[in-house]
Amino acid sequence: NAGVTQTPKFRVLKTGQSMTLLCAQDMNHEYMYWYRQDPGMGLRLIHYSVGEGTTAKGEVPDGYNVSRLKKQNFLLGLESAAPSQTSVYFCASSYFPRGRTYEQYFGPGTRLTVT
Amino acid sequence: GQNIDQPTEMTATEGAIVQINCTYQTSGFNGLFWYQQHAGEAPTFLSYNVLDGLEEKGRFSSFLSRSKGYSYLLLKELQMKDSASYLCAVRPQGSRGGGADGLTFGKGTHLIIQP
Repeated sequence: NAGVTQTPKFRVLKTGQSMTLLCAQDMNHEYMYWYRQDPGMGLRLIHYSVGEGTTAKGEVPDGYNVSRLKKQNFLLGLESAAPSQTSVYFCASSYFPRGRTYEQYFGPGTRLTVT
Repeated sequence: GQNIDQPTEMTATEGAIVQINCTYQTSGFNGLFWYQQHAGEAPTFLSYNVLDGLEEKGRFSSFLSRSKGYSYLLLKELQMKDSASYLCAVRPQGSRGGGADGLTFGKGTHLIIQP
């Protein structure tokens, strides 16, 4: 199993450009998440999804949109990138079987720079 | 609101023991996680506590006191490879139940191991 994968690994955008970050998981997990990580700020939840076709806002959703058309994929879109969106973006997935811990499995991250 | 505090940086000696503390104030509580994150890499799961007490897993142990809003991660027999950031994260009581709402992370503790 590849686990959680993210595409691309690195990207440089100019202010106002748009892009989509792709997250894929092959563990058949129901739940998927997008976080951003900035120096001195820790990981912050952007959006999450509890199943195919459903999404919800996290702590810092402004400027981002998401879609979960297939169970294994969770897309994060930036319609008009801003320098404040320069960050490392992590995707994660999880499931909740009875009697088990609910840890989230993280992808390798996407380093995005907006100039 | 959510607030999670942990020390920014700690230094310890190879072969020794180190304790990383985490205090939290959250609007609900549904479990506390510790993750390890090496520089430039994804967070990886270390431990999970939902009930008071100590959970031991090899060289790593984690303790939780829900009444005090306090947890610690104990690392024994420190090795150079333990140099990393250690992230404390809380799952608040989600509106959907079952812990679907993502994690709230502290800013992380950067642990430096010296020979």
